[in-house]
Amino acid sequence: DGGITQSPKYLFRKEGQNVTLSCEQNLNHDAMYWYRQDPGQGLRLIYYSQIVNDFQKGDIAEGYSVSREKKESFPLTVTSAQKNPTAFYLCASSRQSSYNSPLHFGNGTRLTVT
Amino acid sequence: AQSVSQHNHHVILSEAASLELGCNYSYGGTVNLFWYVQYPGQHLQLLLKYFSGDPLVKGIKGFEAEFIKSKFSFNLRKPSVQWSDTAEYFCAVMGTDKLIFGTGTRLQVFP
Repeated sequence: DGGITQSPKYLFRKEGQNVTLSCEQNLNHDAMYWYRQDPGQGLRLIYYSQIVNDFQKGDIAEGYSVSREKKESFPLTVTSAQKNPTAFYLCASSRQSSYNSPLHFGNGTRLTVT
Repeated sequence: AQSVSQHNHHVILSEAASLELGCNYSYGGTVNLFWYVQYPGQHLQLLLKYFSGDPLVKGIKGFEAEFIKSKFSFNLRKPSVQWSDTAEYFCAVMGTDKLIFGTGTRLQVFP
């Protein structure tokens, strides 16, 4: 079955540590996205990538970094510079970054930083 | 800048009641509109979408939405809800190259 795999499902880190969230897709999608979901704030776009080796900042990119070395993979690093890293992180992909390609979502990673 | 507003944050209904969830967007160009649903413990999935043509679109599980351009709205409706519709619903607009989501509406349906 094709889909998006996010791992791990739960992640715990100490403050000051960088942490990388994995996102892999086998849908052969060109575009990939990272969103952050917080209660009462919906989904906010962190970074997105339309093609390998290229990515753009979303609305809340500060404190995060990404890479897109392979079409299938779009890992997100939450750095120690991110002031409120505890959240639910969702990865998504679409056939292309265009008007009419709906997103397919992974199951998410819940990050807790203490 | 494009944005999406969902006015109802939490809706509680009894089974068989009718549902309408509000969604307003702000974007000057051609828009493509979506409703996504997140059932408890599951990933987000597409409920329905509007690109062009008939402004009344039908989605899965008996849901429909109406695009009213003059009101910048894309409200979600269902004539008779079921307990299994309990979920969080997100309206989204695709503008240039990214999808912008609303804050979501949590729907609870009691039997």
